[in-house]
Amino acid sequence: ETGVTQSPTHLIKTRGQQVTLRCSSQSGHNTVSWYQQALGQGPQFIFQYYREEENGRGNFPPRFSGLQFPNYSSELNVNALELDDSALYLCASSLVGTVSDTQYFGPGTRLTVL
Amino acid sequence: RKEVEQDPGPFNVPEGATVAFNCTYSNSASQSFFWYRQDCRKEPKLLMSVYSSGNEDGRFTAQLNRASQYISLLIRDSKLSDSATYLCVVYTGGGNKLTFGTGTQLKVEL
Repeated sequence: ETGVTQSPTHLIKTRGQQVTLRCSSQSGHNTVSWYQQALGQGPQFIFQYYREEENGRGNFPPRFSGLQFPNYSSELNVNALELDDSALYLCASSLVGTVSDTQYFGPGTRLTVL
Repeated sequence: RKEVEQDPGPFNVPEGATVAFNCTYSNSASQSFFWYRQDCRKEPKLLMSVYSSGNEDGRFTAQLNRASQYISLLIRDSKLSDSATYLCVVYTGGGNKLTFGTGTQLKVEL
């Protein structure tokens, strides 16, 4: 519906492993934000990428890292997975470079860490 | 204290009822305010922005009180399809982040 796609839809990993999640932004959007949503909680901001540079970061450790590519798609990488990393990971795209612009969310990747 | 606080509910209301959700935020420097709707196991979707003068979109009315750091959402004539979690969202500017509340769950029943 929004044109934002994410892959994979579901993923199961074990503690200590590394994971890469992918997001394709809506056509014409140049900004991607990533969020973590634990069960029963609201989404928490991880970081935002604008024109391939990090443009803001929430309270997440450095083992959460990201990339944005020239076509504005993005990756979220998480190293040394912990059980508490189990969550729905959402990406959202928007047109300009500030988080306050309307954000369109993708369907999310559900990560389970065992 | 959480940056954005909401009553988690659930609010169980009959079809046709009027229901109101409240939200408070802690940072007085917050600049923009939104309500998002999230259906079970789906992504959040923007319901409406919230303006200082208050704004209405059909059956939905949003209000902002900056002095009290309080945001509200009123839903009139509830429909079964309104059943969802409603997320209060605040943009503060520092760090370029949106801060979400935990959400308020609404169940509209026959």
